[in-house]
Amino acid sequence: KQEVTQIPAALSVPEGENLVLNCSFTDSAIYNLQWFRQDPGKGLTSLLLIQSSQREQTSGRLNASLDKSSGRSTLYIAASQPGDSATYLCAAYSGGGADGLTFGKGTHLIIQP
Amino acid sequence: NAGVTQTPKFRVLKTGQSMTLLCAQDMNHEYMYWYRQDPGMGLRLIHYSVGEGTTAKGEVPDGYNVSRLKKQNFLLGLESAAPSQTSVYFCASSYHRTGAVGNTIYFGEGSWLTVV
Repeated sequence: KQEVTQIPAALSVPEGENLVLNCSFTDSAIYNLQWFRQDPGKGLTSLLLIQSSQREQTSGRLNASLDKSSGRSTLYIAASQPGDSATYLCAAYSGGGADGLTFGKGTHLIIQP
Repeated sequence: NAGVTQTPKFRVLKTGQSMTLLCAQDMNHEYMYWYRQDPGMGLRLIHYSVGEGTTAKGEVPDGYNVSRLKKQNFLLGLESAAPSQTSVYFCASSYHRTGAVGNTIYFGEGSWLTVV
């Protein structure tokens, strides 16, 4: 059974810093890995989707990498802004049985102005 | 476009009562999902549907039923609510299956359910 872990559970950094959020998964036979953002009281917004054949994806100040062999993905946020404050979730899709994602518990990120 | 809309947003139930959560999407998506999110845990898949008239079990299906009579709607029912079903429920939809290249999944804003 796939398990997804995110470290750290919470992170607080000053505005302007570059930061890295970590995600690890136990089953390297994944089809893809996604990063989501969740604002308080809101749903999830898809940020980046990395297919198993890809090493990284970029969108604006966000860069996500995937290393299947080590079971790890990172989300890099450049020049952080207070508006980046949110919970970031990673989720893996491993195929097999149910057609759904396996989520980590998330990293709660606070960017201090 | 409204995207994925969930109703109701908040509900308090007594143990043993029944209720239905409605998810509606206006993007002509084939795939729809119900997840639950509990404190200290990741989102977990309850049930899903790969098209109109189909349903399938996810990771935590017990105590829930679903129906997809219309392509745009996916209903989640609790026949006899229990305190363990207190949670935030999220509906999601996508055009392709989860593993498809470039597939984007869209989430609703959640339904907060408390069972007392």
